[in-house]
Amino acid sequence: KNEVEQSPQNLTAQEGEFITINCSYSVGISALHWLQQHPGGGIVSLFMLSSGKKKHGRLIATINIQEKHSSLHITASHPRDSAVYICALQGAQKLVFGQGTRLTINP
Amino acid sequence: NAGVTQTPKFRVLKTGQSMTLLCAQDMNHEYMYWYRQDPGMGLRLIHYSVGEGTTAKGEVPDGYNVSRLKKQNFLLGLESAAPSQTSVYFCASREQGAFTEAFFGQGTRLTVV
Repeated sequence: KNEVEQSPQNLTAQEGEFITINCSYSVGISALHWLQQHPGGGIVSLFMLSSGKKKHGRLIATINIQEKHSSLHITASHPRDSAVYICALQGAQKLVFGQGTRLTINP
Repeated sequence: NAGVTQTPKFRVLKTGQSMTLLCAQDMNHEYMYWYRQDPGMGLRLIHYSVGEGTTAKGEVPDGYNVSRLKKQNFLLGLESAAPSQTSVYFCASREQGAFTEAFFGQGTRLTVV
């Protein structure tokens, strides 16, 4: 069993929809990262969480340490949000990545 | 402040050739990582380093070697390239500590024919 599982693997939605991407994990962590990767592009850090909730613009990330679960939400989605969103677990030394969720927002 | 820089950005190798990928960071980070990204799979850890002169194996280390002779540089070597090593390689770095942001290079697209 993978240490980190993301769902869904692929998500297609219409512009304006509320988007939720989930990340479940099975190991102890010191922090959890949400990252964004555009097609052919590099990887950009969106959030780093150890507890609670963070908001940046239309993006919201939450984490429940007891349930070992995190969610990334996008409000009022836009075609420019189309990308792969990756959850990564930070342990004492290593970063372990989920498989990513490919999000496509249609106009 | 360049952040994390990978060179080269693209490379085509013939089977059996060798090459070295360079990752350089100017943020004085202790921890550096090499990952490979393949279609349908998440980033998989090849090797990592927690400080100058130290290296450790990750999830998929076979066929690769690394060196961290200087704190700012982390080199990934392929001694005898194989088609299975065709991938996109990412380097990352972060400061030591439980709650430190990770920074990523732009990736190196390697094709082994």
